Amino acid sequence: NAGVTQTPKFQVLKTGQSMTLQCAQDMNHNSMYWYRQDPGMGLRLIYYSASEGTTDKGEVPNGYNVSRLNKREFSLRLESAAPSQTSVYFCASSDRTGRRGNEQYFGPGTRLTVT
Amino acid sequence: LAKTTQPISMDSYEGQEVNITCSHNNIATNDYITWYQQFPSQGPRFIIQGYKTKVTNEVASLFIPADRKSSTLSLPRVSLSDTAVYYCLVGSTDSWGKLQFGAGTQVVVTP
Repeated sequence: NAGVTQTPKFQVLKTGQSMTLQCAQDMNHNSMYWYRQDPGMGLRLIYYSASEGTTDKGEVPNGYNVSRLNKREFSLRLESAAPSQTSVYFCASSDRTGRRGNEQYFGPGTRLTVT
Repeated sequence: LAKTTQPISMDSYEGQEVNITCSHNNIATNDYITWYQQFPSQGPRFIIQGYKTKVTNEVASLFIPADRKSSTLSLPRVSLSDTAVYYCLVGSTDSWGKLQFGAGTQVVVTP
């Protein structure tokens, strides 16, 4: 059981370049999330997918797009990277049922630098 | 989403009990209180969740008074490996994952 996996682990982009961050989970969870974490700060929700086929904006969606490819995979795309998007990106999943409905499982993160 | 306030940092020695109090004055009836732990260069990890009174699991206890306007995470007999950032979050399990992470509390455990 790998849990939540993310690729790549590190990435350097030039301003204006595009890239897709990949996330997959093997826990059969319905809900998946993308967060960003800037130095010394908490996580901020970018987009989430409550279930397969649905996506919705979080707190900071501008400059990003997402795709819930299937139940396992949820990708985050930067169409035209900007230095303000330099951050660590975390993917998470949860089944949102029962007494631990707010329990999310996080991936190891992708450290992105935009120059 | 209810705003939370917690101390920026706390220091402790190995073997001591660490108590982190979180204030959430605007907590709603359907909100749960959830705590996460984050080590450097890792994603957060769920520790414990509660609604009222006391919840205990293998790593921590969560104390919630009757008015639910605050909560206290208690880490018994901490070790060096408990050095981490601890986040208090408040939200409904119906909020579709709209968890709001504040800056958290940096706990440093020294020998």
